[in-house]
Amino acid sequence: ETAVFQTPNYHVTQVGNEVSFNCKQTLGHDTMYWYKQDSKKLLKIMFSYNNKQLIVNETVPRRFSPQSSDKAHLNLRIKSVEPEDSAVYLCASRPGTGDGNTLYFGEGSRLIVV
Amino acid sequence: QEKVQQSPESLIVPEGAMVSLNCSFSDSASQSIWWYQQHPGKGPKALISIFSNGNKKEGRLTVYLNRASLHVSLHIKDSQPSDSAVYLCAVNTGGLSGKLTFGEGTQVTVIS
Repeated sequence: ETAVFQTPNYHVTQVGNEVSFNCKQTLGHDTMYWYKQDSKKLLKIMFSYNNKQLIVNETVPRRFSPQSSDKAHLNLRIKSVEPEDSAVYLCASRPGTGDGNTLYFGEGSRLIVV
Repeated sequence: QEKVQQSPESLIVPEGAMVSLNCSFSDSASQSIWWYQQHPGKGPKALISIFSNGNKKEGRLTVYLNRASLHVSLHIKDSQPSDSAVYLCAVNTGGLSGKLTFGEGTQVTVIS
């Protein structure tokens, strides 16, 4: 049962365009994440927010920027997409950052850059 | 930086067989270890986690952790076709972020 909602599910765009992905969680969690999953299924963390504050910012190109209006929403904007940005972007949330807290994922937003 | 490696890359088993998956990690100070299941077109779903050395059983799932050898395994008893999915091992590298580092996964196919 999905409680982390992502839009759009799928997006095809040309090199150089801007893309935005939206994420909303209805679980009341404090912490949200963006992960990138490549064609080999490897997930890599990109950003993490805790109560609207950025707490993790991995080494990602500057064209990627997260945006959080409240603790239930975390969007991802990509300015001027590149071919290597083609991937599935997964939003996730958890109740705080404690070790035993389960991470809940959305179904992903697939980006294809042509 | 934490490295997580999984084996085998893929596995095909008949229905009812035991599925055994392996995961090795590089940081002995890592905290909990998680196993996730991912069906095609879906997000990963947490199955089971373990922190302490030893084993933990939940339903058809058993996980074994050996911190000395930096190794964790997942065993699925009495496999079903619905168990066909990619299984991801993830290590909590700790700190305030609760960041998980994932392996590349094992594709499991259960044939009836």
